Amino acid sequence: DADVTQTPRNRITKTGKRIMLECSQTKGHDRMYWYRQDPGLGLRLIYYSFDVKDINKGEISDGYSVSRQAQAKFSLSLESAIPNQTALYFCATSDFGPVGSYNEQFFGPGTRLTVL
Amino acid sequence: GIQVEQSPPDLILQEGANSTLRCNFSDSVNNLQWFHQNPWGQLINLFYIPSGTKQNGRLSATTVATERYSLLYISSSQTTDSGVYFCAVERGSSNTGKLIFGQGTTLQVKP
Repeated sequence: DADVTQTPRNRITKTGKRIMLECSQTKGHDRMYWYRQDPGLGLRLIYYSFDVKDINKGEISDGYSVSRQAQAKFSLSLESAIPNQTALYFCATSDFGPVGSYNEQFFGPGTRLTVL
Repeated sequence: GIQVEQSPPDLILQEGANSTLRCNFSDSVNNLQWFHQNPWGQLINLFYIPSGTKQNGRLSATTVATERYSLLYISSSQTTDSGVYFCAVERGSSNTGKLIFGQGTTLQVKP
């Protein structure tokens, strides 16, 4: 079984709808991240969380919210979807350690979201 | 913020050829990862290499942190190597795990 899973894998929705993307992990990592990828570009960080009660904004958090329901689950919500939120969304996890320690990130398979 | 630049942006190879992809970054880093994004969009971890050299089969990577660059070597390329290769870094003074991605190198390997 995959260590980091995302649901749904594909979603088409309409402008103004609320949508939730879910991420689960079995790696036992404390840290979880949501990234967005636009066509032809690298990934950009939306939100990240270090534990259940910790939520931090990333580079492009406007229009998004997140919920860390448990160590293993991190959800991303679009409160009122708009067409320029059409993108590929990735969840990632990493372990925690001091600066310079092993903090490799592992990514889920991605959710392809289309907002019409 | 830290800048990450990858070169070349596009690369076309014949099967069996070798290639070198480069990643330059503008500040010290405590995390550097190379990823391969396959044609289905999945991100595959290739290397975690904030410094030094690592090898995994036909792929190897070297990061010279003091000179702020990393190189990914692909030898005897295969059609399955096609896709986009990303370099991503975390700024050296940070311990947030926030990765900054380069724009990627798109590789096409022709049979």
